[in-house]
Amino acid sequence: EIVMTQSPATLSVSPGERATLSCRASQSVSSNLAWYQQKPGQAPRLLIYGASTRATGIPARFSGSGSGTEFTLTISSLQSEDFAVYYCQQYNNWPPVTFGQGTRLEIK
Amino acid sequence: QVQLQESGPGLVKPSETLSLTCAVSGYSISSGYYWGWIRQPPGKGLEWIGSIYHSGSTYYNPSLKSRVTISVDTSKNQFSLKLSSVTAADTAVYYCARLIPPAYFDYWGQGTLVTVSS
Repeated sequence: EIVMTQSPATLSVSPGERATLSCRASQSVSSNLAWYQQKPGQAPRLLIYGASTRATGIPARFSGSGSGTEFTLTISSLQSEDFAVYYCQQYNNWPPVTFGQGTRLEIK
Repeated sequence: QVQLQESGPGLVKPSETLSLTCAVSGYSISSGYYWGWIRQPPGKGLEWIGSIYHSGSTYYNPSLKSRVTISVDTSKNQFSLKLSSVTAADTAVYYCARLIPPAYFDYWGQGTLVTVSS
């Protein structure tokens, strides 16, 4: 099973600033990586798939990069609605698909 | 617009079987894609449980495989989860979702909390 590790566990950033979230895979997942945003009491929402392709309706301030074992989600100019928990998920080698433990993005 | 809605008991006794159904609207399951179940214990991360194709082909998480059965009813446009011999560790919010090949999730249900307690 591929283990996904996200860092940091919590990230404090001021509105308007840039946030950089990291996700590392225990072995190569090529570009088969997705990012999700989850707000309290809500289901996860797909942000990015294929490591860098934004899902339908996702603002351009969200961008993904990386391949192999190292991935980054960048949110430029944070808006108030962006403060949430973010998960990465690999789907290169499944079953099982596996998720990272999440990064909580909080207001500084 | 594709919509998914989970339903089932919110309380299950230890050692019994958890049963949930996911009703899909806005898309015919028979048209394709895999459909899956994911759970999230309170305050914790996401765990994939398993997935099913409209033909009935299934994939399960090896960690749960011995206790999980996922089935599909295309006539009702829904799919179901059964998890047997539950314990308190199975207490979680259970989500159903659609899988886009290779296997990421684009549409999710709102989730349903299932508590395992006597």
